[in-house]
Amino acid sequence: EAQVTQNPRYLITVTGKKLTVTCSQNMNHEYMSWYRQDPGLGLRQIYYSMNVEVTDKGDVPEGYKVSRKEKRNFPLILESPSPNQTSLYFCASSLTPQGNQPQHFGDGTRLSIL
Amino acid sequence: AQKITQTQPGMFVQEKEAVTLDCTYDTSDPSYGLFWYKQPSSGEMIFLIYQGSYDQQNATEGRYSLNFQKARKSANLVISASQLGDSAMYFCAMRGHASGGSYIPTFGRGTSLIVHP
Repeated sequence: EAQVTQNPRYLITVTGKKLTVTCSQNMNHEYMSWYRQDPGLGLRQIYYSMNVEVTDKGDVPEGYKVSRKEKRNFPLILESPSPNQTSLYFCASSLTPQGNQPQHFGDGTRLSIL
Repeated sequence: AQKITQTQPGMFVQEKEAVTLDCTYDTSDPSYGLFWYKQPSSGEMIFLIYQGSYDQQNATEGRYSLNFQKARKSANLVISASQLGDSAMYFCAMRGHASGGSYIPTFGRGTSLIVHP
């Protein structure tokens, strides 16, 4: 089954404790991205990757890191999480970065930073 | 810069009736794609329908159709014969060309649809 898999689905942690949210897709998609969703703000892009070893900042990259060592994986790293990073996070992928490609989303990760 | 505006924070519709969710966009790109996604209360994002800026006909996918009016820069989603399972948040999105060669996605803030029995 074609899918984007994120883990964990839920995480409660404390300020300053490094965490990683994993994302994997099995569709051989080139383009992957991370979003955060906050009430009233819709989805905002954090980082994106056009292909292996090619990543770039989105609209809200501060406090986050990503890497793309393999085509299928695109982890999101919070080196020193803070309470303002409490949010719903989505990983998404599309076949190419082109404008006619819909993004396929993971089920989301609800992150709470205390 | 590109922008998506969804002016209806919430909409109510009676079961079996049709409903239109509004979306207007702004971009200077000649080539772009417009998308609608559904987010049920369980949280996942589900792709519904796509419209290309050069497509001559409005997109349709089952009970979903996209009323694309390029001159007015609008891409409204029409859901026919609403069902209780259509109750969800709906997001309009656009992918327009960025200077780096990627098509940067932009999302609206969403419209919450509630279908009454």
